[in-house]
Amino acid sequence: EEQLVESGGGLVQPGGSLRLSCAASGFLFHTYWMSWVRQAPGKGLEWVADIKQDGSEKYYVDSVRGRFTISRDNSGNSLYLQVNSLRVEDTALYYCARERRLGVRYFDLWGRGTLVTVSS
Amino acid sequence: QSALTQPASVSGSPGLSITISCTGTSSDVGGYNYVSWYQHHPGKAPRVLIYDVSNRPSGVSNRFSGSKSGNTASLTISGLQAEDEAEYYCSSYTSRSIPWVFGGGTKLTVL
Repeated sequence: EEQLVESGGGLVQPGGSLRLSCAASGFLFHTYWMSWVRQAPGKGLEWVADIKQDGSEKYYVDSVRGRFTISRDNSGNSLYLQVNSLRVEDTALYYCARERRLGVRYFDLWGRGTLVTVSS
Repeated sequence: QSALTQPASVSGSPGLSITISCTGTSSDVGGYNYVSWYQHHPGKAPRVLIYDVSNRPSGVSNRFSGSKSGNTASLTISGLQAEDEAEYYCSSYTSRSIPWVFGGGTKLTVL
């Protein structure tokens, strides 16, 4: 069964850091672009960052560029998001999602998310 | 404020049909046939219903259909069932500085 399982969320003070992880299983992880998408309380989905299959290209939403770093370990079938200099407005449920890009454009597999709460 | 505009809520009776709109710009919805729709039940992983405007992945009921006209895409759910009660999100690939944008979500209530 194809699956994505996020972990690493928690309660952190403003200015703090966390490393979010996403464990992939049941598919050839190294052949897909991968994304992080978040949902703040009471808000819609917001795309955060994505990374190419070999890690050579990475893109970020403006609000996190310079503070968040996306990375991947293809040998370990894992996706990461290092979140630094956290702000209250970064509080959200963070999902990892698999992108489909060969002639199409959509997210075809999602995890259940990991919650990041930024509060003093 | 989300990049794509969706109604906050919609409701319908079992067996009937509803349509959810998703309005963007020529830089996203209007410029690409890369609109997708997702169903999200709280506590579960989001699930793709429609991709590339009107295509259904295998396993998705044909009660779900998608279309687009200009800068507005639409998701229609026919033969409403209680299990359809969920949040629905549209998304589009975009030529902006970021590759993906989402709508703010629409809460569907089955009366």
